[in-house]
Amino acid sequence: DTAVSQTPKYLVTQMGNDKSIKCEQNLGHDTMYWYKQDSKKFLKIMFSYNNKELIINETVPNRFSPKSPDKAHLNLHINSLELGDSAVYFCASSQAWVTANTGELFFGEGSRLTVL
Amino acid sequence: KQEVTQIPAALSVPEGENLVLNCSFTDSAIYNLQWFRQDPGKGLTSLLLIQSSQREQTSGRLNASLDKSSGRSTLYIAASQPGDSATYLCAVPWRDDKIIFGKGTRLHILP
Repeated sequence: DTAVSQTPKYLVTQMGNDKSIKCEQNLGHDTMYWYKQDSKKFLKIMFSYNNKELIINETVPNRFSPKSPDKAHLNLHINSLELGDSAVYFCASSQAWVTANTGELFFGEGSRLTVL
Repeated sequence: KQEVTQIPAALSVPEGENLVLNCSFTDSAIYNLQWFRQDPGKGLTSLLLIQSSQREQTSGRLNASLDKSSGRSTLYIAASQPGDSATYLCAVPWRDDKIIFGKGTRLHILP
């Protein structure tokens, strides 16, 4: 049973399009995250939600809009895609804040976005 | 500002050898430190989580140590196998619950 699942795994699209990536976790965790991994494999946090409430928004362009319909889902919608948005986007979850004793992170398999 | 560094960036060793991967962080006021493994084209798999009050954690052939005062953690892999080939990342939570990742060490175990 997959703990953190993302769809789609691969996404190829033209500049200017709007696309969404979905994430679901079945671990019962309260906190979910979106990370971006660039071409140099560097991971950087984008957003964090705790129980459907946005907690971290790490200076991401407002073309990126996360949506959390419930605490098991955190979707990422991207408007007006640009070439620089090409990356692998990872969803993650943790039982509580990572600054707590139960803050182990669990990651999805990633969604590779290619903007042409 | 917290910075996480992993050295070396890449490492190749013959199968069967024991090896150590290094992770250093600039601010020792960490809550915990987590080691991950990333296979090509895959997500990150959690290997070990060490709380700030702990000195080490073990899981199978893996042993992670933490020395907060010196800002260092090591991941020791015993009797390496080709299946251990992957990128290994360490990460520490930082203020406002951001998590700072190192850039990883690409490990290649030679059969």
